[in-house]
Amino acid sequence: AQSVTQPDIHITVSEGASLELRCNYSYGATPYLFWYVQSPGQGLQLLLKYFSGDTLVQGIKGFEAEFKRSQSSFNLRKPSVHWSDAAEYFCAVLITGGGNKLTFGTGTQLKVEL
Amino acid sequence: DAGVTQSPTHLIKTRGQHVTLRCSPISGHKSVSWYQQVLGQGPQFIFQYYEKEERGRGNFPDRFSARQFPNYSSELNVNALLLGDSALYLCASSPTPDGNSPLHFGNGTRLTVT
Repeated sequence: AQSVTQPDIHITVSEGASLELRCNYSYGATPYLFWYVQSPGQGLQLLLKYFSGDTLVQGIKGFEAEFKRSQSSFNLRKPSVHWSDAAEYFCAVLITGGGNKLTFGTGTQLKVEL
Repeated sequence: DAGVTQSPTHLIKTRGQHVTLRCSPISGHKSVSWYQQVLGQGPQFIFQYYEKEERGRGNFPDRFSARQFPNYSSELNVNALLLGDSALYLCASSPTPDGNSPLHFGNGTRLTVT
């Protein structure tokens, strides 16, 4: 069955430090992959997506992610974290057929220390 | 432009009761999906509707049902509420049901079952 694993439940970084959030997926076909961010009391905002082509994708708010097929990974990165980046981050894989379903990981809670 | 709007934002129900949640998609979006997000977990797919027809259903009991109206708005109904139905219910819309049509999420309805 298709699944997404986010190994880190909580991560704390200092403002200005670099960030990498890990995501591993299990999916038989070529995956469509996404990163979403959720602030407290809010819905999900799309940061970036990978469908095909260049394996390094750029998103909003200075985030980027790299698709590595050999490692079944799609890690999210940001060179310099801002305090406003504190939120929960979800990796998701799209399952096609029988609806356009996103399967989400359990999320990584990011805390930013000033 | 207005985003995806959901109502109500919060509600409290008692076990055994029925609840109806409402969603208005972004103007021009014809596909609506529903997700359940239990505290501490990633969202889980419940339904997708497109042009008033069910396109997909997640692993949820028959107590959960939904429909889409001619104006593309949607309702999610849950009968015989259980304590475990307490969650944030997210609605998402997209122009089409295709995999390359990213979902736009609303801020959700927080349902508490006592």
